[in-house]
Amino acid sequence: SAVISQKPSRDICQRGTSLTIQCQVDSQVTMMFWYRQQPGQSLTLIATANQGSEATYESGFVIDKFPISRPNLTFSTLTVSNMSPEDSSIYLCSVGIYQETQYFGPGTRLLVL
Amino acid sequence: EDKVVQSPLSLVVHEGDTVTLNCSYEVTNFRSLLWYKQEKKAPTFLFMLTSSGIEKKSGRLSSILDKKELFSILNITATQTGDSAVYLCAVPNAGGTSYGKLTFGQGTILTVHP
Repeated sequence: SAVISQKPSRDICQRGTSLTIQCQVDSQVTMMFWYRQQPGQSLTLIATANQGSEATYESGFVIDKFPISRPNLTFSTLTVSNMSPEDSSIYLCSVGIYQETQYFGPGTRLLVL
Repeated sequence: EDKVVQSPLSLVVHEGDTVTLNCSYEVTNFRSLLWYKQEKKAPTFLFMLTSSGIEKKSGRLSSILDKKELFSILNITATQTGDSAVYLCAVPNAGGTSYGKLTFGQGTILTVHP
């Protein structure tokens, strides 16, 4: 497996502001993903973070709302833009290491007031 | 669209009981099924299953896959309070533009009382 860190661990933000979440891996990985888990719900994929090119977004998620960067094979950021209370969720990055297995970072718990 | 359904959605047992969690799936490009345990924020990996009928085991946890009937079960024997968590089943997309995407079930909330 890999050691994955995320910053911040949690945050409370005002509506209309933006928050950038960082994900750092201790080894180079090809596949990196961002998921959202809304309260009481399961995990939903936001996008696949592609190194050196634009992220691939799932239906219902757009780049203007969730811009993603992936400057190299160990690091990615997800920004939650122009936040509203509906964005209150846990945001998780994951990496693919072996076949289809994915390992998750510790998560960022976001509360938007 | 890929679909993963878990049952039961919640389960309350006492320490020492044995539990069986179920996961059924309907996916294209199936290659594997994953089980995770989620206690606070981050899901932790338990098992990856690729072949029918071959049990994966780790301590008191075990899991098996039936590719003909499209389901998997996760067994926990001699449960402990530390097993209290949400157990998630997920299937990776193994082809196309969504390669690697995990489709998750709703999860089973397991509560183990002393």
